[in-house]
Formats: sequence, C-alpha cells, structure tokens
Amino acid sequence: QVHLQESGPVLVKPSETLSLTCSVPGDIITSYYYNSWLRQTAGKGLEWIGRISRTGRTYYNPSLKSRVTLSVDMSKNQFSLKLTSVTAADTAVYYCARDSISAALYLFDTWGQGTPVTVSS
Amino acid sequence: DIQMTQSPSALSASVGDRVNITCRASQDIINYLAWFQQRPGKIPTRLIFAASTLQNGVPSRFSGSGSGTDFTLTIRSLQPEDSATYYCLQHKIDPCTFGQGTNLEIK
Repeated sequence: QVHLQESGPVLVKPSETLSLTCSVPGDIITSYYYNSWLRQTAGKGLEWIGRISRTGRTYYNPSLKSRVTLSVDMSKNQFSLKLTSVTAADTAVYYCARDSISAALYLFDTWGQGTPVTVSS
Repeated sequence: DIQMTQSPSALSASVGDRVNITCRASQDIINYLAWFQQRPGKIPTRLIFAASTLQNGVPSRFSGSGSGTDFTLTIRSLQPEDSATYYCLQHKIDPCTFGQGTNLEIK
C-alpha cells in the first residue's frame, strides 16, 4: 500500500547532485513526525540514508553524512533529499518512508513507490 | 554499526509448510526489531514491529519472536503469495540497519 509520492530525476551525471522529493498526503500528515530516506541496491541491500523531523531535526547515516542534506517544507507536506558528488555506486532505488524515534507503530509502515536512480554520463 | 545477520539466505518450501527465518544482532537491541516482506518488483512492506507485534492487515500465519540479539520470523501454512524476500531491521541505535535478506521460494 503506497501512500507517499516520490519525484525527481531518474538519471544523474557523475559528480552532480541527486535530488528527490517525497510528498505526504493530507490524510496522514498529522501523524507524520519523521521521514526517512533509504536506498536499495542488489549488492548492498537496503541502506538507511537519514531521517528528518517535521520541525527539521536531522539524523544522518555516518557513511553518507558528508554528502547528504535532508530538508522539509511542511507548507507543501514535502520532504527532500539531496545527495552530492554522486558516483556509479549511488545507483539505486531510492525510497522515502514514514519513520519514528519513539513509537514503533510508525516505523517504516508507509513507503513511497521507489525511484530508480541511475548515475551515468 | 549494529550488524544484522539473517539465516538462511535462501530457502525453498512447499505450500502448507512452516518456515523459520532468524536474525541475529551484533549487540543487544532489546525488541527494536521489525520484519519486512518484499515481493519481486514491489516495495518493502512491514509485517512485524517491536519484534512480535503483527502489522494490521498481515495474516496471522506470520509471527515474530525473540529479544536481545536473537529473533525469529515464523510463517505457518505457507501460501504461494509468500514467495518473497524477507528482511529484518534493527532500530535500537542509529544508523538503523537491515539484514541481508532471505529469499523464500515456494515450490
């Protein structure tokens, strides 16, 4: 059951910035406290990129922290991901998902449809 | 990072069988564990959270158990639609980490 809508380019050139947006529908926004970004590759499986609260507090995976920026625009019910200096190793399916740092009830219970992003010139 | 080791990495079973998939954490995660199912070409969907709480809408033939470092996902009375890859996830300590997945084939 897909509730979240991801959008953004599916082809990014090496060394450029990957940008994706996750739109949250109005029927769940009131219970949407944190948004996480994840990615999936055949080689590394599922990897958590980072999380942001609706107030803008961020938590990053140390492995990607130097290249990742998460942001939120609650006036549009949107969460965004930017990943800089991409390489072929960043080719993956990217997901946004509802997250929680307290109640496990909302932990990754709702996902976006997945955006396959390819890094190639 | 906390390492999550799933076993087996793949298994094949028949309709009606019972299977167990295990997940071991490299340190105590209490019950901060969830299980996900991912059918081919689909997004992951949560089956279990807090180690043993069944997600609404998930059939009761799925169950989770364990605490500390050792956890088990049990699927009773396998159905053809259970053919999928199953992942465990720890969220006790950031970065949250997934197991490598268990590919379940229904014969």
